Amino acid sequence: ILNVEQSPQSLHVQEGDSTNFTCSFPSSNFYALHWYRWETAKSPEALFVMTLNGDEKKKGRISATLNTKEGYSYLYIKGSQPEDSATYLCAFNNQGGKLIFGQGTELSVKP
Amino acid sequence: DSGVTQTPKHLITATGQRVTLRCSPRSGDLSVYWYQQSLDQGLQFLIQYYNGEERAKGNILERFSAQQFPDLHSELNLSSLELGDSALYFCASSVAGGPLTGELFFGEGSRLTVL
Repeated sequence: ILNVEQSPQSLHVQEGDSTNFTCSFPSSNFYALHWYRWETAKSPEALFVMTLNGDEKKKGRISATLNTKEGYSYLYIKGSQPEDSATYLCAFNNQGGKLIFGQGTELSVKP
Repeated sequence: DSGVTQTPKHLITATGQRVTLRCSPRSGDLSVYWYQQSLDQGLQFLIQYYNGEERAKGNILERFSAQQFPDLHSELNLSSLELGDSALYFCASSVAGGPLTGELFFGEGSRLTVL
């Protein structure tokens, strides 16, 4: 059974705080790790797709790192803004081809 | 706008009924994925089609079936509906058929309510 765990389940921060969340996945048969941002009443949108151990990707104030040997990825948001409020999903893709999502981390940024 | 179109956006029906959800992928994408999101659950993978053929199967109930047509649109059929089938059903598409290094593009979802 492929299990993708995200923590924390929810997070409440003040505007300007930096924050990070964790995605844990099986370390065997790794192929890719995806991060998606899902705003309320919208559909999930891709942030990053990471494939190599040690990968670091950045998009504006959001960045992610990947450790495939130990099976985790971190997503960082620097200087959180209210518009960053969303659920952040990670998804693990093994060589079998299925993309399995975690439960998500719900981020709320207060002005 | 992701380019993935799902219809209907909302659907209310009764237990025991059958419904069909429709998805048109982004132009050029050959793979279609179906996911179910129930209350307090994450996105549960149901099934994937690539260029008309079933490629991967998740926890899809036997009461559910799907297909992808020659024009690449896909339909998810849900029959003998139960209250627990109430959920948001997402379709997503991608170019690739195998293990993904490219992102998925999601539609806006079809919200099914079974009364």
